[in-house]
Amino acid sequence: QPVLTQPPSASASLGASVTLTCTLSSGYTNYKVDWYQQRPGKGPRFVMRVGTGGIVGSKGDGIPDRFSVLGSGLNRYLIIENIQEEDESDYHCGVDDGSGGNFVWVFGGGTKLTVL
Amino acid sequence: EVQLVESGGGLVQPGGSLKVSCTASGFTFSGSAMHWVRQASGKGLEWIGRIRTKASGYATAYAASMKGRFTISRDDSKNTAYLQMNSLKTEDTAVYYCTTGAVDYDDYEGADDAFDIWGQGTMVIVSS
Repeated sequence: QPVLTQPPSASASLGASVTLTCTLSSGYTNYKVDWYQQRPGKGPRFVMRVGTGGIVGSKGDGIPDRFSVLGSGLNRYLIIENIQEEDESDYHCGVDDGSGGNFVWVFGGGTKLTVL
Repeated sequence: EVQLVESGGGLVQPGGSLKVSCTASGFTFSGSAMHWVRQASGKGLEWIGRIRTKASGYATAYAASMKGRFTISRDDSKNTAYLQMNSLKTEDTAVYYCTTGAVDYDDYEGADDAFDIWGQGTMVIVSS
């Protein structure tokens, strides 16, 4: 099954941009990854799905245009522009794998984004 | 209003059992695969497993680390999914969430199956 790797932390100044990275383990180049935002004390919220061609499907409800994604090789990126205070959250990536007949869903360790 | 509400969490001793519930409203529960995800304090999300719909034979799938101790079931007449947890360990202490994309298929072309509905979570504490 795939493994997802995320840096534990990131920071950016108010109004700046930041790129969060989620890296798939070797051999999973074609897999699409979901990004989830989790604000402090709240449940997760779907942001969007990303493959090597960029966004797959639609953004989650209420996700602003400042959020976008890119995919390259084993990396899946969540880009946040013009960062606002409310973007300070944990960001989790996740992927499902149904190969081999056994469905499994895997999350990365999450990245804590601090807005300076 | 589209909603998932978990209930049944609490304090349980190591080795004990607990069954938590997830009640749905505002969408077609019977047509939706349901997943359980947990999160220990200060940690990331951990997928527990899923149950598909009657049309898919109520098929279940579990994370390898949960298989054998955790069981997911559903009662479509009550719009409720359940997570039965047995032989609980202190490391099972976490907030337990149910989630769904309100569909019962793996969408490889779009994102219909993304987890866009989440409950507020129910806290399970395993301690003596």
